[in-house]
Formats: sequence, structure tokens, C-alpha cells
Amino acid sequence: QSVLTQPPSVSAAPGQKVTISCSGSSSNIGSNYVSWYQQLPGTAPKLLIYDNDKGASGIPDRISGSKSGTSATLGITGLQTGDEADYYCETWDNSLSGVVFGGGTKLTVL
Amino acid sequence: QVQLVQSGPEVKKPGASLKVSCKASGYTFTDNAIHWVRQAPGQSLEWMGWISPVSGNTKYSQKFQARVSLTRDTSATTAYMELSSLTSEDTALYYCARGRGHCISSSCLYFDYWGQGTLVTVSS
Repeated sequence: QSVLTQPPSVSAAPGQKVTISCSGSSSNIGSNYVSWYQQLPGTAPKLLIYDNDKGASGIPDRISGSKSGTSATLGITGLQTGDEADYYCETWDNSLSGVVFGGGTKLTVL
Repeated sequence: QVQLVQSGPEVKKPGASLKVSCKASGYTFTDNAIHWVRQAPGQSLEWMGWISPVSGNTKYSQKFQARVSLTRDTSATTAYMELSSLTSEDTALYYCARGRGHCISSSCLYFDYWGQGTLVTVSS
């Protein structure tokens, strides 16, 4: 069971928008920055968002991140079939004194 | 360009030890910590620990503290992860990743480059 809670799956049609939530607590998201990663099938994770809302190098503006309190959200607009992947949130946990990841969310573009 | 290239797949027997390497190139090896993250089949990502290449200082996840050892060879720009007392539950893909962050603490830690992963299978 992951420290950060994500929905197991989300889906939307091509061209639409989707959001993926990541819920934590005051010891992790509530007091640290959040990052987001995309993992395409059979590949290593790829950094999308860091410092809650900063896009990594080469990441298009249609991918965004935000944080409020003990939750964070990844948003993807203009969905493409190439966006089908697993998405993970990540942050530091002060109580555990370690990095924690969300359980992952599988995005399906219908 | 920054690259992290890991050693090849491994098959181990229960009780054995494992050592995976991660060769860094394209940047100054001592500028960034190297982290290790594993992913069991069909599961999420799990952080194991990090090593500072410049000092050799390490920090381990509480879960792996007793049986993981992270080392590095700065002349070879290579980091190593050793895991002992393997069980079938250690069957996973093991990744090294470069740590980044503008904070003095770990508050803003993230991973900007990842190795390709090393598949480890533990089976009798």
C-alpha cells in the first residue's frame, strides 16, 4: 500500500482533458515539493513535472501540475494516444525520512 | 547527453546477493546523488536509497536498511547497489536515477534521468 494515493485508472477521449490526483499528508505533500513521472510500457520513468508545477525540459505546456494542501494534481489537455501510460507522483516524507511514490495511475485514451 | 547505463539482467537463487552497476556519463558524476528505485512486476515504484558520489555518504530506506549497500567508484563514474539475502519478493526491475533539487534538504528532490533498468529474477 503506497503512502501517496492515486486513482488506479483514468480515461478520456483524444483531444479531451484529464486530471490525476495524488493525495498525501502533512508529513509528505503538505510540507514538500511534488514531482510527476510518466512510464510508457516497457520503459523507465520519465520526469514530467518537478517543484509542484514546473515542466521538465521538453515537456509540452499541455501537461501541468499543481498542489494544494496535502494533495497534488497532474493535468493533461489535448490528449493523444501517445499519452497512454502509467503516471506516478513522488515526494519526500519527513516522518519516513525517505522518498515516497504514489501507487500509479493508468491513463487510457479511448 | 546525460546517460545512466545499468548492468544486464540477473537470475539469483534465494539467499544469494546481488550487485547492480550504473555507469554515468555526460555530466560531472560528483555533482548529483545517485538513487536506486525498484519496481516489482505490475507494482509501483519503491525508493531504496541514495549515495553521494562526492562523499560516499549514503541514506537508505528503512525497509532495505539491513540488507542494501550503495557504493561508488568515482574514477569509473559508476554507482553500485548490492542487495543481500534475496527472496522471491526481490524479483523486480531495479533502476538508478540521478537526483536533483534546489533545496538544501530533500524537500524538493526529484529524478531527472533514469537508467534503463536491470531485471532481477530470484528463483530456486
